[in-house]
Amino acid sequence: AQSVTQPDIHITVSEGASLELRCNYSYGATPYLFWYVQSPGQGLQLLLKYFSGDTLVQGIKGFEAEFKRSQSSFNLRKPSVHWSDAAEYFCAVGAVSNDYKLSFGAGTTVTVRA
Amino acid sequence: EAGVAQSPRYKIIEKRQSVAFWCNPISGHATLYWYQQILGQGPKLLIQFQNNGVVDDSQLPKDRFSAERLKGVDSTLKIQPAKLEDSAVYLCASSSLAGSYNEQFFGPGTRLTVL
Repeated sequence: AQSVTQPDIHITVSEGASLELRCNYSYGATPYLFWYVQSPGQGLQLLLKYFSGDTLVQGIKGFEAEFKRSQSSFNLRKPSVHWSDAAEYFCAVGAVSNDYKLSFGAGTTVTVRA
Repeated sequence: EAGVAQSPRYKIIEKRQSVAFWCNPISGHATLYWYQQILGQGPKLLIQFQNNGVVDDSQLPKDRFSAERLKGVDSTLKIQPAKLEDSAVYLCASSSLAGSYNEQFFGPGTRLTVL
């Protein structure tokens, strides 16, 4: 079965500083990987996704993520955080063999301080 | 383009009562999903519809939860009777195709509190 672990429950970062959110997945074959963001009172919005090819993926809002098969990781990064990036971030994994269903991690809450 | 609409946004009920949630997906989206998001956890798929047919309801507690998507557009999710552990945010999402990783667009959710 596929699963996702987000080791950090809560991260606080200063505005303008860099941000990295960790995601580790468990799946036998090549996974499909996603990062979603959820702002308070909002639904989830897709930031970026990895299916194949270049392991460094660019997304919206200046985010990028790197797929590392050897580490079973798909960490999300942003070079300079803005106050509007305060939100909850979810990593998700899916597989064709699992009928394209998504398994989500528990999420990481990001607080941005001035 | 209008997004996924859900109502109500908040609901508070007593345990053993019934409750229903409504979802209107993005126009033209054939696939509709209901997720349950318990505080501190990621969303968990409850049921997936393709048009008005059920694709996957393996995680739906069918003794108390039911869902329908009449005419392949709007959908309702019902809980009868509710338990304390049903307190969660219920998210509806839609996508234009099933059997692929077409992006799922999420509604704002309905926050249910069971007392």
